[in-house]
Parts: sequence; structure tokens; C-alpha cells
Amino acid sequence: RKEVEQDPGPFNVPEGATVAFNCTYSNSASQSFFWYRQDCRKEPKLLMSVYSSGNEDGRFTAQLNRASQYISLLIRDSKLSDSATYLCVVNKAAGNKLTFGGGTRVLVKP
Amino acid sequence: NAGVTQTPKFQVLKTGQSMTLQCAQDMNHEYMSWYRQDPGMGLRLIHYSVGAGITDQGEVPNGYNVSRSTTEDFPLRLLSAAPSQTSVYFCASSYRGGGLNYGYTFGSGTRLTVV
Repeated sequence: RKEVEQDPGPFNVPEGATVAFNCTYSNSASQSFFWYRQDCRKEPKLLMSVYSSGNEDGRFTAQLNRASQYISLLIRDSKLSDSATYLCVVNKAAGNKLTFGGGTRVLVKP
Repeated sequence: NAGVTQTPKFQVLKTGQSMTLQCAQDMNHEYMSWYRQDPGMGLRLIHYSVGAGITDQGEVPNGYNVSRSTTEDFPLRLLSAAPSQTSVYFCASSYRGGGLNYGYTFGSGTRLTVV
């Protein structure tokens, strides 16, 4: 089993709709969680950090469920510019080493 | 503020050649890492460092060396390039504060092809 698993998608989303997807992690010692966005042939860019039960930033909401070991990302009022691959990232405290999920591809269409 | 700077952006090597991928950050971050990204494999950790003079292996370290003589620089050396090392390489840096690990900032990547 991979340490961090994501549905690869793609999630085809009408513009203006809401989309949500999950990421599961296997290591219960994981302490910090992040969502990154990666555009085609670009570097990953930090979207949100999740340190407690959740975080909200504008149209984006991340939730953490430690009991079931998953985090979710919800995007409201999707824009065409939200089309990207969203990477779930987990790390443990020691050494700040990141483990990446394979990414979830989101395509927002007019 | 430049952030994380990687050079070169593109490189073609012949099998057996060696080279160094450069990475520099100007944010005084203590943590630095090298990742490779291959289609269908996601990002995999090659080597990382928790501070100057301290490095450790990640998930896929074979064929690569690193050193961290300064806080700012974290070069990645390919000892004898192989076609399996064709990939996109990302350098990233981060810091820890207030008991929390903060997210990494990534460089723009180096696209390496080994022929």
C-alpha cells in the first residue's frame, strides 16, 4: 500500500461547480499535511497547509480526519484557472521529509 | 526575493557522464530536499538536508550524491548518468517554527535527458 494515496481523476468539473476529493495516508505518525497545486510542466506550489482539523482559504477548504487518516480538499465556485493537478503531501515531524501522493487531476470546463 | 533557484533548466547528458545540478535558496531555510518526478510515479525524495553539514538519503538515492556546505546551497551530483535518470528534478526548501513544519518552496525544476 502506498503511504499517500489519491484518486488520479480526472475530475471533470463545470465552471462554477463545487468539487471535492480525498487523500488517504497510512502513517499515523504523520503530523503535517499540505495540498500543493501543480500545473503542467511546472513546479508544485503550496496551496494550503493543514495542521489541525482543517483550514479554509477563500474558495478552498481542507479538512483533516486523523481517526480515518484522510484529508480532503474542496473547491467552491470552480474557475477555469483551477484546472491543475492537486498533490496531497504528508510529513512526520522528524527531518521534515515529505511524502507525495500521485496527484488528482482536475479539469474545469466552461 | 529569488526563492529557490535551480540551474540548469534543461540538460542532455550522454550515458556515463557526470554533472551537478545546482540549487540555491535565499530564504535562510534550514531544510532542503531534492525530488525527481517521473510520469506515473509522482515526486520521489532523492536526498534531503536538515541543515548545513547534515544530509541523509531519501527514497531513491542510488546514483546521486549531495553535500550541504552552506545553508543556501544544496547541489545534486549525478555520478555516472544512466537513461533511468531521465527525469524532472526539483529542489525545495522549508523551515520549522513554533513546533510546525512549514510547506516547502520548490524551484522551477531541471529537465534532464540521458541518452
